[in-house]
Amino acid sequence: DTAVSQTPKYLVTQMGNDKSIKCEQNLGHDTMYWYKQDSKKFLKIMFSYNNKELIINETVPNRFSPKSPDKAHLNLHINSLELGDSAVYFCASSPIPGGSAPLHFGNGTRLTVT
Amino acid sequence: AQSVAQPEDQVNVAEGNPLTVKCTYSVSGNPYLFWYVQYPNRGLQFLLKYITGDNLVKGSYGFEAEFNKSQTSFHLKKPSALVSDSALYFCAVRDLDAGNMLTFGGGTRLMVKP
Repeated sequence: DTAVSQTPKYLVTQMGNDKSIKCEQNLGHDTMYWYKQDSKKFLKIMFSYNNKELIINETVPNRFSPKSPDKAHLNLHINSLELGDSAVYFCASSPIPGGSAPLHFGNGTRLTVT
Repeated sequence: AQSVAQPEDQVNVAEGNPLTVKCTYSVSGNPYLFWYVQYPNRGLQFLLKYITGDNLVKGSYGFEAEFNKSQTSFHLKKPSALVSDSALYFCAVRDLDAGNMLTFGGGTRLMVKP
C-alpha cells in the first residue's frame, strides 16, 4: 500500500493552461505539505495544511492554490502555467506540524510546461 | 532564520570505503536534524534524525550521523559504502523555537564506484 500517492506522475502541458495535481495519504496524518524541487534539485516548501487548515504559505505566486477537502487529501491547482513552473512537485505528510516526526513523501509529479 | 548548508555537490567514493556527507546548520534555538535519501524518480525517504541525547544516531541501511553542537554540524557517515548507496542525500533542520518549518539543504549526490 502506497502511503503518500500523487497523480499524475508526469504532466506535460502548454503555457497558459490550468492544471491540478492530486495527493492522498493513508497514514492517518494530520499535516500535509507541497514542496517544489527545481532543476538543480533544490527543495522549497510551498504550502502546509494541518487538519484542512492552511498553516504555511510561502512566497508562492497566487496562481498556485492548494485545496484540502479532508485531512487525507491535499490538491494543488495551478492557473495560467508558465515555463518557470516546470519542476517536480512533491506532496508529503507528517503526524503533526513540527515536532520530531519525519515527513513521508510521495514519488513526485514531474510538470513540464512547453 | 534557519538554514542548512551541504558544501559538496557531489561525493565520490569507492565501494567498501567509508563515506561522509557533510552538513552544517544555523538555527537560533535548538535543532531537530534529519537526513533523507532520494533515489532517481522517487520521493525523499527518511534515513535518520537527531532530537536529543546521544550525539551519534544510527539509521536505516547502516547509515549514522554525528551531531556536533559546537561545530553546528550533522555529518552523515557509513563505514563501508555500497554501489546501491548512490543517490541524492538531503540534510534538513527544524528550529524548535521558530515554528514548524523544515528547511532542506541543497543536496549532495553520492556516487559509489565498484
